[in-house]
Amino acid sequence: DTGVSQDPRHKITKRGQNVTFRCDPISEHNRLYWYRQTLGQGPEFLTYFQNEAQLEKSRLLSDRFSAERPKGSFSTLEIQRTEQGDSAMYLCASSLPSVPYEQYFGPGTRLTVT
Amino acid sequence: DQQVKQNSPSLSVQEGRISILNCDYTNSMFDYFLWYKKYPAEGPTFLISISSIKDKNEDGRFTVFLNKSAKHLSLHIVPSQPGDSAVYFCAGQGAQKLVFGQGTRLTINP
Repeated sequence: DTGVSQDPRHKITKRGQNVTFRCDPISEHNRLYWYRQTLGQGPEFLTYFQNEAQLEKSRLLSDRFSAERPKGSFSTLEIQRTEQGDSAMYLCASSLPSVPYEQYFGPGTRLTVT
Repeated sequence: DQQVKQNSPSLSVQEGRISILNCDYTNSMFDYFLWYKKYPAEGPTFLISISSIKDKNEDGRFTVFLNKSAKHLSLHIVPSQPGDSAVYFCAGQGAQKLVFGQGTRLTINP
């Protein structure tokens, strides 16, 4: 199966700790997106990459959040000094640039900050 | 600023009947509209899309209707099957990103 994969699937951390999530997109997709979903809401856009270039960041992405895609393949999302409000499902998606609206999502990483 | 709204948090439909899920939007700049389906513990799965210049798109049991003057779209599922029970999200695509509604939980009753 060559779908979008995310690791870890679940992460429990204490407030103030740093966490890092990984996303591996579909291999031929050069666009990669990060979204965050909280309970009862739809996913909210955080940032996206075309190849290794980060082209847009949402105002939701505070200074404690950083995303990278160093070689244009997998991506990491790091949250520093986690807060309880960071608890959410973090979703990664990928697409072809010719069809940006057809985004294929991974299973997500569920973050719980205690 | 809720650009995409799904006003029905839940919908219950009998198996074999038609399911109609509704969505309203405020952003006239969306290029495409999409419907995603989500099961628990999985990411959203792309179902069907429609260009902003079309008013209907059909794919098997799924049909999406777009009414631009009313800024409204709907997803019709005919006939509804038990496996269709999930949370459905509509989304608008503009400036490369998707803007999602809050979701509607569809339950298909046998």
